Amino acid sequence: DGGITQSPKYLFRKEGQNVTLSCEQNLNHDAMYWYRQDPGQGLRLIYYSQIVNDFQKGDIAEGYSVSREKKESFPLTVTSAQKNPTAFYLCASSRSGLAGELTTHNEQFFGPGTRLTVL
Amino acid sequence: AQSVTQPDIHITVSEGASLELRCNYSYGATPYLFWYVQSPGQGLQLLLKYFSGDTLVQGIKGFEAEFKRSQSSFNLRKPSVHWSDAAEYFCAVGLSGGYNKLIFGAGTRLAVHP
Repeated sequence: DGGITQSPKYLFRKEGQNVTLSCEQNLNHDAMYWYRQDPGQGLRLIYYSQIVNDFQKGDIAEGYSVSREKKESFPLTVTSAQKNPTAFYLCASSRSGLAGELTTHNEQFFGPGTRLTVL
Repeated sequence: AQSVTQPDIHITVSEGASLELRCNYSYGATPYLFWYVQSPGQGLQLLLKYFSGDTLVQGIKGFEAEFKRSQSSFNLRKPSVHWSDAAEYFCAVGLSGGYNKLIFGAGTRLAVHP
């Protein structure tokens, strides 16, 4: 079955540590996204990638980094610079439009999420 | 600035009752509108979407939504709620031009009483 997988489901981080959240999709989608979800705030965009080897900052990129070396994979690193990392992290993907340009017609498909807790 | 408002943080309905979840958006251009549902500890699933055409949109699980441009609203409805509909519901607006950015509302948590 096609879909998006995220691992691990639960992740615990000590102060000062970097941690990496995995996101893999087999939907053959060009575009991938990372969101952060906090209670009562909906979803906020951290980073997005339109195509392999390219990515852009979203609304709350500080303290996070990403890479996009393969079409299927878009890992997110939460660095020690992120002062309040405890949250639920969601990865998503979507088709892109012609010539790599994204369109808002395209539904975003979401993974099951990773809950990160700072100890 | 673009925004999405879901005025109701929590809603409780009885099983079999009708449901309406409110969504208002602020966006200058033609909006692309979505409703997603999230079960506890899970990802989001698309219920329905509106891009153009008929303003009454049918979705999965018996849900529908109506786009009202004059009221900047995209309310979600279901005529008879089932216990399995208990979840959190998010309205989102897609921004035209540039990348596929979605602006999400804060969500409405639905509880269903037997």
